[in-house]
Amino acid sequence: DTAVSQTPKYLVTQMGNDKSIKCEQNLGHDTMYWYKQDSKKFLKIMFSYNNKELIINETVPNRFSPKSPDKAHLNLHINSLELGDSAVYFCASSQGPGSTEAFFGQGTRLTVV
Amino acid sequence: GQNIDQPTEMTATEGAIVQINCTYQTSGFNGLFWYQQHAGEAPTFLSYNVLDGLEEKGRFSSFLSRSKGYSYLLLKELQMKDSASYLCAVRRAAGNKLTFGGGTRVLVKP
Repeated sequence: DTAVSQTPKYLVTQMGNDKSIKCEQNLGHDTMYWYKQDSKKFLKIMFSYNNKELIINETVPNRFSPKSPDKAHLNLHINSLELGDSAVYFCASSQGPGSTEAFFGQGTRLTVV
Repeated sequence: GQNIDQPTEMTATEGAIVQINCTYQTSGFNGLFWYQQHAGEAPTFLSYNVLDGLEEKGRFSSFLSRSKGYSYLLLKELQMKDSASYLCAVRRAAGNKLTFGGGTRVLVKP
């Protein structure tokens, strides 16, 4: 049983398209996150939700819109994809915002061509 | 803002010890984390320090000095499977936001 699962694992798409990445956790956690890891391997927080409420919203273009239909799911929709959006996107969850351990999904490698 | 520095790459021999240093500058410090990430995989939690001192967990230990803005991760009795990137991350009290360093790629050679 995968604790944090995200789909798809790979996504290749053309510039200008709109795409979504889905994430689900079965750990009963209250807090979920989206991180972006660029080609230089820097892992940066994008968004965090706690019990479906947005609690962290970093300086991210508004083409990126997270949606949390319930506390077990956090999806990421990206409009008008650009070349610079190519990266690995990781979903993660933790028991609460102040938890010591976060569990990461396997990542979605997005390539924009 | 936050500034986190760690070496880009380190090489060590199987069975040896490697120490990965991490220095940071932040306001409102609320914990330092170490994560391990194998190539193409998700980061996995290794350790958490919020008070000064050494936390030992099997072959891995993590040390923190808050006054110096310094931490290290010590890997003992290196195994080939320890070849991975090791990410240092600092959490701020405001918003509990975690900021990661660029990671240190450790290569273990036979």
